[in-house]
Amino acid sequence: DARVTQTPRHKVTEMGQEVTMRCQPILGHNTVFWYRQTMMQGLELLAYFRNRAPLDDSGMPKDRFSAEMPDATLATLKIQPSEPRDSAVYFCASGTILTSPNQPQHFGDGTRLSIL
Amino acid sequence: GQQVMQIPQYQHVQEGEDFTTYCNSSTTLSNIQWYKQRPGGHPVFLIQLVKSGEVKKQKRLTFQFGEAKKNSSLHITATQTTDVGTYFCAGLFGNEKLTFGTGTRLTIIP
Repeated sequence: DARVTQTPRHKVTEMGQEVTMRCQPILGHNTVFWYRQTMMQGLELLAYFRNRAPLDDSGMPKDRFSAEMPDATLATLKIQPSEPRDSAVYFCASGTILTSPNQPQHFGDGTRLSIL
Repeated sequence: GQQVMQIPQYQHVQEGEDFTTYCNSSTTLSNIQWYKQRPGGHPVFLIQLVKSGEVKKQKRLTFQFGEAKKNSSLHITATQTTDVGTYFCAGLFGNEKLTFGTGTRLTIIP
């Protein structure tokens, strides 16, 4: 079965360090989403791309977060500098948006990030 | 902003009992999707509802979309231990972004 692959699965680092999370979407999917999940805030959309172009990053703290899609097989989410409040599970999801937006999203296993 | 409210936040049921979670939006939705997340796992797509008043079934799960396309429900008949997890609704407000509800965490008492 095709699946979304995220690396690393777990990351523990000290505050102030740069964190890079990577996502390989399902081959053929043209839309990639980044979500953050915490107990307090639930699932929050941070940013999403279609055909590698960023469409919306309004959910992302832009002073420290950046999202890119250098090619169709790789999406990255970076935090620099990291802070303890960034501790969360970060999910990448991909989907196919063709003529209709009504397509399910396929989630990766997530990156569990802990900032000490 | 566009929000999707989901209740209850938690539900504990005896195995074999029924379970229902409700999703509400203040504005009309284009469609609604339901996802299930097992403990420690990731959200997994269950179903999508598009039409006003639509009802879909998957074995013991029944999904409904309200006539006004502002609310939805998921009902599980005779719960089993495999139903444990958090159930999320996610609404589409006419664009490509899904807005996820807060989720209902279901625990089963054997």
